[in-house]
Amino acid sequence: GNSVTQMEGPVTLSEEAFLTINCTYTATGYPSLFWYVQYPGEGLQLLLKATKADDKGSNKGFEATYRKETTSFHLEKGSVQVSDSAVYFCALSDLNGANSKLTFGKGITLSVRP
Amino acid sequence: GAVVSQHPSWVICKSGTSVKIECRSLDFQATTMFWYRQFPKQSLMLMATSNEGSKATYEQGVEKDKFLINHASLTLSTLTVTSAHPEDSSFYICSAGQGRGPDTQYFGPGTRLTVL
Repeated sequence: GNSVTQMEGPVTLSEEAFLTINCTYTATGYPSLFWYVQYPGEGLQLLLKATKADDKGSNKGFEATYRKETTSFHLEKGSVQVSDSAVYFCALSDLNGANSKLTFGKGITLSVRP
Repeated sequence: GAVVSQHPSWVICKSGTSVKIECRSLDFQATTMFWYRQFPKQSLMLMATSNEGSKATYEQGVEKDKFLINHASLTLSTLTVTSAHPEDSSFYICSAGQGRGPDTQYFGPGTRLTVL
């Protein structure tokens, strides 16, 4: 079956540091890949996505590239801010008829200190 | 943007009682709603998918008689945990979908259930 593996957390960084959060996946077929972010007290929000190999998703300074050869979708940001403190989830979708089923990683908590 | 609410945000109940959790799409009509369960430091696990006006489709291993899902309207789905036990304590999250792709799913903030 499908699965998503994220690096262990939590991660604590100083403001303006470089961020990498690793994510690898196992899937049959050609899934779409996603990063979701959950700010304190809020629901998960789609941060970025990529639907095919070599696609790069980007949003709010975050980027992730769909690497089929390494089955990875690592999240990066060049300079993190305190406001980026949140929980980040990597996910893949397996289109199943009329619905889209998401498989999530465990999530990782990012804390950015001033 | 699209907003999904859940009520209550947290609930504590006694073992053997039933608890109902509501999921509402506030500013759009959701043809599909999803219910997830999240254990501490674990990923979100899909429990069931419900389409408005039809029976929910449960994932393997999820007891449909224990986790009753009703999707009576395009803006409301409810999850009832029947005869709750301490092992049902968890974080329950719903999402509401407008279309086929995951990027049209919007998530609620979750409900923390604690069964004593």
